[in-house]
Amino acid sequence: GAGVSQSPSNKVTEKGKDVELRCDPISGHTALYWYRQSLGQGLEFLIYFQGNSAPDKSGLPSDRFSAERTGGSVSTLTIQRTQQEDSAVYLCASSPYGDGYTFGSGTRLTVV
Amino acid sequence: DQQVKQNSPSLSVQEGRISILNCDYTNSMFDYFLWYKKYPAEGPTFLISISSIKDKNEDGRFTVFLNKSAKHLSLHIVPSQPGDSAVYFCAASGGSNYKLTFGKGTLLTVNP
Repeated sequence: GAGVSQSPSNKVTEKGKDVELRCDPISGHTALYWYRQSLGQGLEFLIYFQGNSAPDKSGLPSDRFSAERTGGSVSTLTIQRTQQEDSAVYLCASSPYGDGYTFGSGTRLTVV
Repeated sequence: DQQVKQNSPSLSVQEGRISILNCDYTNSMFDYFLWYKKYPAEGPTFLISISSIKDKNEDGRFTVFLNKSAKHLSLHIVPSQPGDSAVYFCAASGGSNYKLTFGKGTLLTVNP
């Protein structure tokens, strides 16, 4: 597609439920990143995929968070047993190789 | 530990005047710096970047200055326009690590 597509755009979930957030990167982009922006905060790095290399998971805040990238394309970020502090805008970005991020519009997650 | 700091959460300027957004960093390994612009409900979009081998980069109304000894960079917008009103994020990366570290952002308001 023309840009990075994220779905859903908004998600309201009950505390304790699991959620899945999806990212469709730009075709051909080998690098894919997940960031989140909590209220009043900057963009916090979560995880980075580059080609077939092992992902850099150093930003995942807890073991409730996981992400996959299937076939080097679509990525899913899963949050298990959601907590209220997980409420944030989750942003996905892709790039041809590291440089030149293109961000999606994000998924606004609200945990009630 | 915040490695990229934007100490001004907001800035208000008059249309036609200069806007100066500031950013400080602490990690001496950072060698590439970027500015992103973000409108509400949209993902950040790339604005301008600078490599540590340069001290200035210009693109139309936007100029980024880098002072490596002070670990400081700034974005100048001249002349400012109401459409420039957005949140501006400073970001940095270093070495072969393409992960970007972002500041918390500065909300720029340009008044007509």
